[in-house]
Amino acid sequence: EADIYQTPRYLVIGTGKKITLECSQTMGHDKMYWYQQDPGMELHLIHYSYGVNSTEKGDLSSESTVSRIRTEHFPLTLESARPSHTSQYLCASSEYLLAGPTDTQYFGPGTRLTVL
Amino acid sequence: KQEVTQIPAALSVPEGENLVLNCSFTDSAIYNLQWFRQDPGKGLTSLLLIQSSQREQTSGRLNASLDKSSGRSTLYIAASQPGDSATYLCAVMGFQKLVFGTGTRLLVSP
Repeated sequence: EADIYQTPRYLVIGTGKKITLECSQTMGHDKMYWYQQDPGMELHLIHYSYGVNSTEKGDLSSESTVSRIRTEHFPLTLESARPSHTSQYLCASSEYLLAGPTDTQYFGPGTRLTVL
Repeated sequence: KQEVTQIPAALSVPEGENLVLNCSFTDSAIYNLQWFRQDPGKGLTSLLLIQSSQREQTSGRLNASLDKSSGRSTLYIAASQPGDSATYLCAVMGFQKLVFGTGTRLLVSP
């Protein structure tokens, strides 16, 4: 079983604040992902990383940024939060197989963000 | 652009019933298909992964099938239990990315 952690689980902040959502995994997985999910809607990929110093934008445009300085850590930052950023943010990881993306993704518990 | 659709959006059944959840996708060029379970306020738990070369996978009371050519997958749950109540998500893996459906919200009543 993969261990992947997200903090905080819930966050309520005011407009304009800078926030960082933390994600860490202990499996040594190379590939990590951030998804955004609005209530009742599908998950959308906003960022992913193949490994250290690699970051890519996903399908859904996002004002957030990510960094990957260590294999186990993939934080997401919003420089100036707005009410439109209110959503659930889910982090995931998987082994990066050079033969192809056939591996299972393991998800963290998510961070539910509310921006007032 | 890959689109994933799940039917029904919600399903309510009495305990003990066998049920089928449906997933369809528009682009058959996929590496694999995964079924996830999502409980309220929690992350996703992977239930089954079917590689593109496979037709089905089984785990306990769950059986998932894949017909890549027709762009369809089904998740069969046998002898449903109240603990099965959750949202079930289907996701297809294209090049580097998982594309999710909107899910089927299942309620199994005692």
